[in-house]
Amino acid sequence: QQQVKQSPQSLIVQKGGISIINCAYENTAFDYFPWYQQFPGKGPALLIAIRPDVSEKKEGRFTISFNKSAKQFSLHIMDSQPGDSATYFCAARWRTGTASKLTFGTGTRLQVTL
Amino acid sequence: GAGVSQSPSNKVTEKGKDVELRCDPISGHTALYWYRQSLGQGLEFLIYFQGNSAPDKSGLPSDRFSAERTGGSVSTLTIQRTQQEDSAVYLCATSTAAYSYGYTFGSGTRLTVV
Repeated sequence: QQQVKQSPQSLIVQKGGISIINCAYENTAFDYFPWYQQFPGKGPALLIAIRPDVSEKKEGRFTISFNKSAKQFSLHIMDSQPGDSATYFCAARWRTGTASKLTFGTGTRLQVTL
Repeated sequence: GAGVSQSPSNKVTEKGKDVELRCDPISGHTALYWYRQSLGQGLEFLIYFQGNSAPDKSGLPSDRFSAERTGGSVSTLTIQRTQQEDSAVYLCATSTAAYSYGYTFGSGTRLTVV
């Protein structure tokens, strides 16, 4: 119930195309949904995040769409570029007492081709 | 330093040996997390430290794993009697507060047990 399911496992998109990564969750106690981007040999870095009372958040070419009733959210990368090639993780935050933790999806390896 | 520093960056050890992995957090970051990243398994939560509170050890996979954080700063993750299934990238992350969803990750320690 603390899991976040992520798909697809890998994705190949042509330069200029739209990359879409989907995540689903069960636990309604999750209260924040961030996305992280990881380049080879580096740790993940925060990309964008959304609250469950917001249906969409956009930052540059990156947009999160959130469907609270379906318990699903997705990352859209518009005008995908080769520099976007990385592994993307969705995550969900849940609070326990005086602390909080992030549960991560299994990751999507995105390759943007020329 | 400017970021989270982990050492060593790579570690090859023989099965049955003990290993220590080190994390130097960003100064002033009170929350510190250890995650394990295995191929195709996403980011698995291991342990969490927040200030002077008792650590959340709920993610440690067995009693061979332990961690400590000295003086609210440097943390070490110790794996005793390593097994081949312990091979993974061990990531340390820190954040400014207990409820932050924005973690700063180090580049990780790649552990290979042979």
